[in-house]
Amino acid sequence: DAGVIQSPRHEVTEMGQEVTLRCKPISGHDYLFWYRQTMMRGLELLIYFNNNVPIDDSGMPEDRFSAKMPNASFSTLKIQPSEPRDSAVYFCASSSPGSLGGISYNEQFFGPGTRLTVL
Amino acid sequence: AQSVTQLDSQVPVFEEAPVELRCNYSSSVSVYLFWYVQYPNQGLQLLLKYLSGSTLVKGINGFEAEFNKSQTSFHLRKPSVHISDTAEYFCAVIPSGGYQKVTFGTGTKLQVIP
Repeated sequence: DAGVIQSPRHEVTEMGQEVTLRCKPISGHDYLFWYRQTMMRGLELLIYFNNNVPIDDSGMPEDRFSAKMPNASFSTLKIQPSEPRDSAVYFCASSSPGSLGGISYNEQFFGPGTRLTVL
Repeated sequence: AQSVTQLDSQVPVFEEAPVELRCNYSSSVSVYLFWYVQYPNQGLQLLLKYLSGSTLVKGINGFEAEFNKSQTSFHLRKPSVHISDTAEYFCAVIPSGGYQKVTFGTGTKLQVIP
């Protein structure tokens, strides 16, 4: 499997522009997560989906951020309008229930990230 | 709610020396514990995990961690580090019982000095 795929890897845009980040999860995984990583705030969970349905979006910073998962193999994170403080690395991760010693758990597999710079 | 504390933001260590990266957590319920590694310009990769059973957990690349329930700690250790271990290491917890939201620590940057 190719792992979690994210595009673009780097994005530079100007303040006020719309930005769309894309993610293709690992085939067969039924959970998808969007994270943001910054020096100041570390790794933050923005939103996660189960079977294409958003389950928890409490980490989405504000209405400028939106995420969709139209099907099991694709998700987008959109920022409109973008601001300089949105500059960060955005990670997508996917997982599927596993079992170890009779215990059910989910291991998250991370994509390489999209480095977003808003000027 | 859960929280994870990694007190050391950076740890320099000479090559072939041992290293310990500290992790303490807080939770009102039982948790599963993880260590992830992030190499430069890459995503996070799972190093090891504790779900139950033996409190000493072995992971990839010679790393191991010990779960100490009384001290609510899950420190990561390696007896002899290599240059290739230079990376950022994240401790993480998730409530047991099928929850999905992982709480990450702020990370510890391990710098291996030749």
